[in-house]
Amino acid sequence: EDQVTQSPEALRLQEGESSSLNCSYTVSGLRGLFWYRQDPGKGPEFLFTLYSAGEEKEKERLKATLTKKESFLHITAPKPEDSATYLCAVQASGTASKLTFGTGTRLQVTL
Amino acid sequence: DGGITQSPKYLFRKEGQNVTLSCEQNLNHDAMYWYRQDPGQGLRLIYYSQIVNDFQKGDIAEGYSVSREKKESFPLTVTSAQKNPTAFYLCASSRDSYEQYFGPGTRLTVT
Repeated sequence: EDQVTQSPEALRLQEGESSSLNCSYTVSGLRGLFWYRQDPGKGPEFLFTLYSAGEEKEKERLKATLTKKESFLHITAPKPEDSATYLCAVQASGTASKLTFGTGTRLQVTL
Repeated sequence: DGGITQSPKYLFRKEGQNVTLSCEQNLNHDAMYWYRQDPGQGLRLIYYSQIVNDFQKGDIAEGYSVSREKKESFPLTVTSAQKNPTAFYLCASSRDSYEQYFGPGTRLTVT
């Protein structure tokens, strides 16, 4: 069974204080790993897809990396508007439509 | 302006009543999905459809039904057989079964 574990559950940072969120996964052949951002009461917003170990993708202050067992979402010099829950999901080979989600990391960035 | 719409945003029903949640997309995506989100849990897949007039059960299909008569529309009915229907329901679509794009969600409360 595919599994995704995200840590920490919650993270509080001061503005400008860089950190990383972790997504550990077990899957029977990785087709893709996805990162989403979710604001309270809203639907998840797609951020990145990573397909193979060693791949990296960046968007503004966010950078996602992938190894064979985990992915990291690095947040550089965060701002209060980066406060949200960040979700990680995996898609296994041969399961064209099924995503398995983690429970998310709730990030709060304060002034 | 392309996107996914879900209506209504909030829905209240009495126990024992069936209720239908609407999901429409104008992204020309072939695949559509329904997820349920509960506090402290990852998103769980209810049903998905990769093509018109065809759909498959996800991990938690019991007590739910769907139809896919048009490419743009994928309504979800929560029946009285669903034991814990109160939740945040999210609809998503994807072009090629990779990254999924989510709608704003419908919060259903059953009392």
